[in-house]
Amino acid sequence: DTGVSQDPRHKITKRGQNVTFRCDPISEHNRLYWYRQTLGQGPEFLTYFQNEAQLEKSRLLSDRFSAERPKGSFSTLEIQRTEQGDSAMYLCASSNQLNTEAFFGQGTRLTVV
Amino acid sequence: EDKVVQSPLSLVVHEGDTVTLNCSYEVTNFRSLLWYKQEKKAPTFLFMLTSSGIEKKSGRLSSILDKKELFSILNITATQTGDSAVYLCAVRSNSGNTPLVFGKGTRLSVIA
Repeated sequence: DTGVSQDPRHKITKRGQNVTFRCDPISEHNRLYWYRQTLGQGPEFLTYFQNEAQLEKSRLLSDRFSAERPKGSFSTLEIQRTEQGDSAMYLCASSNQLNTEAFFGQGTRLTVV
Repeated sequence: EDKVVQSPLSLVVHEGDTVTLNCSYEVTNFRSLLWYKQEKKAPTFLFMLTSSGIEKKSGRLSSILDKKELFSILNITATQTGDSAVYLCAVRSNSGNTPLVFGKGTRLSVIA
């Protein structure tokens, strides 16, 4: 499978715990995006990488959220001290150039209890 | 701030009907508009539109963009139950490193 892959697909965690998600983009894509989607809403932008550089962060991304893409390939999104409001689907997407479509992974569904 | 508004938010039709989904947008320095279909998990790409008046077509789906009036429509003819999904519209600006900005989507339900 050469598409965008995300791991895990589902995560249930207790409030206050830290969680980390991984995204492997399509191999030749240098741009990687993280989005969050809640029920009845479209995906909301969180952050964006070009190669290993994090170029943009949404104001939605509180200081409990951190993302990395250390070698310009896979990326991780960590949420510290999770809250119930963090429950959502976390989607990763990648693209090659600015004017091409972004391809999405299957998402990681986070439930904070 | 870039903004995308989709209408209707939800729609129920019978198999064989034709539907039109709407997307209006406000974006600084428009570059492209994209349509995605989202069933259970990942949005899957349908169309990317950059020029006004040129229809993009794929089977029973088609889409067109009006850059003067700042909207796009997605048409689905002869709908099938497999068309049931959330249809997402997104825009991309030419400015800097901006990502796709999505609307809330239109939830289409096609009943037999």
